[in-house]
Amino acid sequence: GIQVEQSPPDLILQEGANSTLRCNFSDSVNNLQWFHQNPWGQLINLFYIPSGTKQNGRLSATTVATERYSLLYISSSQTTDSGVYFCAGKPNSGGSNYKLTFGKGTLLTVNP
Amino acid sequence: GAVVSQHPSWVICKSGTSVKIECRSLDFQATTMFWYRQFPKQSLMLMATSNEGSKATYEQGVEKDKFLINHASLTLSTLTVTSAHPEDSSFYICSARDRQGPTYEQYFGPGTRLTVT
Repeated sequence: GIQVEQSPPDLILQEGANSTLRCNFSDSVNNLQWFHQNPWGQLINLFYIPSGTKQNGRLSATTVATERYSLLYISSSQTTDSGVYFCAGKPNSGGSNYKLTFGKGTLLTVNP
Repeated sequence: GAVVSQHPSWVICKSGTSVKIECRSLDFQATTMFWYRQFPKQSLMLMATSNEGSKATYEQGVEKDKFLINHASLTLSTLTVTSAHPEDSSFYICSARDRQGPTYEQYFGPGTRLTVT
């Protein structure tokens, strides 16, 4: 199966700071998604972004499919942004049923 | 739109008993749902793919006789943990894809926290 590497594993920010989270894939993927897991465990969909760039408020994401990586940008961070951020994708080759492989996540802590 | 619910949100059971967890897609139909398991401070691990009207597909190392999956309709999949033991204590999460959606985006339920005593 594919390997999904997320960096950094941990990130501590002061409120108002900007950050970039990265996701590397060992093979080409589609169905690439970014999630935020809140303190209660709920995964919140941030972006479905197989390629290109999308923006939603203070968050934006860019996927360069040919280079097998994706970036999540958080601007003007707030304490409510704290939590774990996951990326996940489905390999282009092989597999079925849209199975997603998850990275290990980035634990973001935003201090007031 | 695209809401997935799980019930119960948490459950405590005694060792040796069975527990059923429901996953429902509230505003869309899903021919395929997925069941994940997450241990504290770890990532999500796919356990099985639930297919409407047919048998589930289990990932390597997952005991299908222990984790029974039934996908009886286009909006409901159930996971039954049979003869639960303390090592089965974990956070169980389901996901689903809108069969009529324009993309392959998956939506996740809020999870069920199982504690086996």
